[in-house]
Amino acid sequence: EEQLVETGGGLIQPGGSLRLSCGASEFTVDANYMAWVRQAPGKGLEWVSVVYSGGTTYYADSVKGRFTISRDNSKNTLYLQMSSLRAEDTAVYFCARGPYDRSHLDYWGQGILVRVSS
Amino acid sequence: IQLTQSPSFLSASVGDRVTITCRASQGISSYLAWYQQKPGKAPKLLIYAASSLQSGVPSRFSGSGSGTDFTLTISSLQPEDFATYYCQQLNNFPPITFGQGTRLEIK
Repeated sequence: EEQLVETGGGLIQPGGSLRLSCGASEFTVDANYMAWVRQAPGKGLEWVSVVYSGGTTYYADSVKGRFTISRDNSKNTLYLQMSSLRAEDTAVYFCARGPYDRSHLDYWGQGILVRVSS
Repeated sequence: IQLTQSPSFLSASVGDRVTITCRASQGISSYLAWYQQKPGKAPKLLIYAASSLQSGVPSRFSGSGSGTDFTLTISSLQPEDFATYYCQQLNNFPPITFGQGTRLEIK
């Protein structure tokens, strides 16, 4: 069964950088539409970034210029490089897959907590 | 595109029929999905393309609507259905947008 596992979260100081990883099983990351979605404590879902199967990327305005989504085909892993982190970036970050570009998200990772605090 | 769910909070009993509404600020055809999320867990896809049931999801869940108004209906609430539900539009993005969520609790 398809599975996604996020790693790399933790406590980071404001202004710092962190890279989240999302390892995939039973499907290839580079051939799929992949997304990062986050959820601040007690809040709703917020889209962060997507990468289309062909490589086109998009970002939410709140993270544009600070976050970068990428893929490593050899490791079958999706990444989210986060820099200039702010307190408002504190959230559980989920990676997810869509069966085709611009689709719904049918498989989700379990989520990883990123806490930005001094 | 803004998505507005109503109600934001719903209290119901096992066996009840419940309906959650999602209204888009502009037409999105049938490009809408519904997710269920339980505390501490990832969202789970229930419905896509407004009315298509995701594989493995019980048939008591159904979706309808097109354009700007959509509904998620649970025909007979089961104990495991008490959760938060989100709609998501897929027509015009970026940005991908979610509704604010509807929390369904046991009466």
